[in-house]
Amino acid sequence: KNEVEQSPQNLTAQEGEFITINCSYSVGISALHWLQQHPGGGIVSLFMLSSGKKKHGRLIATINIQEKHSSLHITASHPRDSAVYICAVKKGRGGADGLTFGKGTHLIIQP
Amino acid sequence: NAGVTQTPKFRVLKTGQSMTLLCAQDMNHEYMYWYRQDPGMGLRLIHYSVGEGTTAKGEVPDGYNVSRLKKQNFLLGLESAAPSQTSVYFCASSYSLDSIRGGLKRQYFGPGTRLTVT
Repeated sequence: KNEVEQSPQNLTAQEGEFITINCSYSVGISALHWLQQHPGGGIVSLFMLSSGKKKHGRLIATINIQEKHSSLHITASHPRDSAVYICAVKKGRGGADGLTFGKGTHLIIQP
Repeated sequence: NAGVTQTPKFRVLKTGQSMTLLCAQDMNHEYMYWYRQDPGMGLRLIHYSVGEGTTAKGEVPDGYNVSRLKKQNFLLGLESAAPSQTSVYFCASSYSLDSIRGGLKRQYFGPGTRLTVT
């Protein structure tokens, strides 16, 4: 079983819909990242959080440490939000070892 | 700032050939990482470095070597390429974690190198 599981794997929605992508993990973590991979392949860090909630524009990320679960929400979705959204965790505490990634959620927003 | 750059962007190798992928960052980051991305697998850590002159193995290090002779550069080498190493390779960098001040440092990714081994 993967240490980081995302759902759904694929999501197609209409422009304007509220989008939720879920991430569950099975290991202790010091931080959780949400990343966006554009159709051209580039990866951008959207959020990094260890507790609570963060908001940036139309994007909101929440994490529940006790339940080992995080969600990424997109409000008023737009076709330019179409991308692969990746959840990744930093296992343990401190140190420099890299991230452990989910397989990604492929989001398509139709006009 | 250019951020994180990778050279080359694309490469086709024959089985048994060798090559080096170069990652460079101009943000004075201490930590650097090499990941590979394969369909249906998600990104996986190959090797990482916590500073100049130091490297460590990640999840899938076999068949790769790395070097960090300068703080800004992290090289990934394939001594004898195999078809199983066909992948997209991403480099990333970050500041060191600053747990005392509670700072959590994001990772910055390069644009990727698409490698095909035939």
